[in-house]
Amino acid sequence: LAKTTQPISMDSYEGQEVNITCSHNNIATNDYITWYQQFPSQGPRFIIQGYKTKVTNEVASLFIPADRKSSTLSLPRVSLSDTAVYYCLVGEGSSNTGKLIFGQGTTLQVKP
Amino acid sequence: KAGVTQTPRYLIKTRGQQVTLSCSPISGHRSVSWYQQTPGQGLQFLFEYFSETQRNKGNFPGRFSGRQFSNSRSEMNVSTLELGDSALYLCASTSDPPLYEQYFGPGTRLTVT
Repeated sequence: LAKTTQPISMDSYEGQEVNITCSHNNIATNDYITWYQQFPSQGPRFIIQGYKTKVTNEVASLFIPADRKSSTLSLPRVSLSDTAVYYCLVGEGSSNTGKLIFGQGTTLQVKP
Repeated sequence: KAGVTQTPRYLIKTRGQQVTLSCSPISGHRSVSWYQQTPGQGLQFLFEYFSETQRNKGNFPGRFSGRQFSNSRSEMNVSTLELGDSALYLCASTSDPPLYEQYFGPGTRLTVT
């Protein structure tokens, strides 16, 4: 499974757009890129998943360049409730989908 | 559609005892994975079950075991508990292809004294 590298922490202010970049240089052809959000003492929550180019849902956007060696999670107009840990994961999109390797994640602190 | 449920939510056990945790996945999901989360080690994969068979296994000692029933419900067992087993144990169910979205339950907080 490809290893991911992302910033340990980030600060932002309410109403700003936040971009969290994740590096995954050894991503394999079958790998999907998935982002999760976790609040203290809760299970991670699926945010978005993509394979290439751009994916957008009601919560976030995911930008993946052509070489797929990195990805950027974009959170538009963050609020205090977006303060959480964000994990970038890369996993095989085939038989091993139930096994996810979590890194340290990025602790996002949104300030008023 | 109901989410992933885990029981119990909180548990206190004594060193040397054993414990069984239960997880009910989202209806229709056949894959159930278990994770351990501690402040020091973060989120670590324990094992995954798919259609009653263990499909993947993490790097945990044999004291950690699991099983899955025909209705996809899963149980995780930890024998001979150690203080270091105190953690939040998370269960997740994964949707079938092509989405591969993993949905986590609220977790079971296990404290070993």
